[in-house]
Amino acid sequence: DSGVTQTPKHLITATGQRVTLRCSPRSGDLSVYWYQQSLDQGLQFLIQYYNGEERAKGNILERFSAQQFPDLHSELNLSSLELGDSALYFCASSASLDQETQYFGPGTRLLVL
Amino acid sequence: AQSVTQPDIHITVSEGASLELRCNYSYGATPYLFWYVQSPGQGLQLLLKYFSGDTLVQGIKGFEAEFKRSQSSFNLRKPSVHWSDAAEYFCAVLTGTASKLTFGTGTRLQVTL
Repeated sequence: DSGVTQTPKHLITATGQRVTLRCSPRSGDLSVYWYQQSLDQGLQFLIQYYNGEERAKGNILERFSAQQFPDLHSELNLSSLELGDSALYFCASSASLDQETQYFGPGTRLLVL
Repeated sequence: AQSVTQPDIHITVSEGASLELRCNYSYGATPYLFWYVQSPGQGLQLLLKYFSGDTLVQGIKGFEAEFKRSQSSFNLRKPSVHWSDAAEYFCAVLTGTASKLTFGTGTRLQVTL
């Protein structure tokens, strides 16, 4: 158990809908990262937040957004969902800003029908 | 840009045999290197990491990896594989100036009894 929690574990929704994925980092960790794992793209970095502020962006679609709250939990919002958004979404956390080991949560499996 | 190559998509070994999973990275400076394991339906668990110092690093579950700068490699090894080691293994690099992990495409390990 990494100490990173993610909810829900599974999510089934329809195209065009909007969903919110939630992540609680390890106790004391200030950085949260979101990754997407799909069959065609593999594991890809989406976005990083540190202590409430966005710090780095990767291959994140404009339809996706994230935020980190004062209690350090983070949410990833996916809107106007398409079939191709079906994937496993991981959250990871690390103690500080850079060059730190990232610990991953169990993931949220999203299926868009 | 940094990249990670795992040349073997799928490897099958017999239980009790030795294992070596290959990983090559592309990055100009000294990289921070990681191996993660993903069991079916599970999240990513950190096996080991290399930041600096001794080029042979020990991890959990009896795994070790050796950093070889001259070959840009960070191969994962285990002297005697157990059936429970069957999983997908990911090599990843963290650059010195960015926070994101760049992952290889993974190697799926099958263990025969």
